[in-house]
Amino acid sequence: SQQGEEDPQALSIQEGENATMNCSYKTSINNLQWYRQNSGRGLVHLILIRSNEREKHSGRLRVTLDTSKKSSSLLITASRAADTASYFCATPNNNAGNMLTFGGGTRLMVKP
Amino acid sequence: NAGVTQTPKFQVLKTGQSMTLQCAQDMNHNSMYWYRQDPGMGLRLIYYSASEGTTDKGEVPNGYNVSRLNKREFSLRLESAAPSQTSVYFCASSEQAGRYQPQHFGDGTRLSIL
Repeated sequence: SQQGEEDPQALSIQEGENATMNCSYKTSINNLQWYRQNSGRGLVHLILIRSNEREKHSGRLRVTLDTSKKSSSLLITASRAADTASYFCATPNNNAGNMLTFGGGTRLMVKP
Repeated sequence: NAGVTQTPKFQVLKTGQSMTLQCAQDMNHNSMYWYRQDPGMGLRLIYYSASEGTTDKGEVPNGYNVSRLNKREFSLRLESAAPSQTSVYFCASSEQAGRYQPQHFGDGTRLSIL
């Protein structure tokens, strides 16, 4: 079963707008990671947030983590057509040596 | 710097055929992973190797075997392919296993089984 579940499953916005994706998970974690996947390519690591952090920034990316609600959000500001991709959250699987478990992803389309 | 390289990129098999998917990384990483991704879904872990000489089952290991040939290479074998194994297979690596380690992915092998 998937530990993380992204919401929404698909999102379409205009270039320049902000995009927000959410991830909910079920069990306690020590960190949460976000990845991007361009069409036909492998996943690329974007950012890792630890359980003792509430917010983290990387360029136009802002990630928040609320451990009390078991949820995280990824905000992409001033989106560009090149941001069109699928975005996945990943959490450690406590039953499998902290191997990562990936959610189903949010498909983001940014229209020029 | 190639990162994680997977071969082949595409393959079509008939039911019952066998096949080995190859993966190599040049980042001197200790840990390597095999995932499958089905349409519209996230990745599911098939097998992983926390370090050279060790392998462990992931979430969906049935029908697969793996070999950690050396620190660089981690292969995935389908002994008798089934249509349910039609998927995109991704290899990944990380410095160490689990916890705070980001994973680095190859571009995948697209496998169709008829």
